[in-house]
Amino acid sequence: NAGVTQTPKFQVLKTGQSMTLQCAQDMNHNSMYWYRQDPGMGLRLIYYSASEGTTDKGEVPNGYNVSRLNKREFSLRLESAAPSQTSVYFCASSEGRSGRGPTGGAFFGQGTRLTVV
Amino acid sequence: GNSVTQMEGPVTLSEEAFLTINCTYTATGYPSLFWYVQYPGEGLQLLLKATKADDKGSNKGFEATYRKETTSFHLEKGSVQVSDSAVYFCALSRSGGTSYGKLTFGQGTILTVHP
Repeated sequence: NAGVTQTPKFQVLKTGQSMTLQCAQDMNHNSMYWYRQDPGMGLRLIYYSASEGTTDKGEVPNGYNVSRLNKREFSLRLESAAPSQTSVYFCASSEGRSGRGPTGGAFFGQGTRLTVV
Repeated sequence: GNSVTQMEGPVTLSEEAFLTINCTYTATGYPSLFWYVQYPGEGLQLLLKATKADDKGSNKGFEATYRKETTSFHLEKGSVQVSDSAVYFCALSRSGGTSYGKLTFGQGTILTVHP
């Protein structure tokens, strides 16, 4: 059981270049998320998808776009990379409400370390 | 809005010492509370959680109790090991809705345990 898989693991971009970070989960979760992690700031939510066919902005969406390709896959695109987007990016997925009520929490991928020069 | 505040790090302990990492939160309603752990070069792993007041989450010798009166969820372990060296994140998710992985994180606390 692979859980949440992200590609690539490392990437260096030049300012202005574009790229897409890929994420796939095999846990049949409805909801998926993209976070970025910066030193001293914890993780901040960029975008999320509560269910297939829907996406919503999180705390720091500027400069990013997302696509929920199907239930398994949720991609993050940087159209014109900037040095401020140098970060570690994590994809996550979560279940929805259970019969006993919400349990909460999320499962995370291994991360993509992105450097923009 | 929601927020989580963790104690400043880094925390350095000797093996078998007692660990406390403080976490307080601000949230509307009744959030679920979590501790995540991140080992070097890896993603975050759920360590423990509590979904209502007075619940105690526990895992791998770590414990945390959901205290609504003090809005706290402090992480404790009676005897740490070198293998516990990692970054620990406190987080909350809002109650209701459908996106239970929509988390608000604290800034993280680096723990280093020496032999």
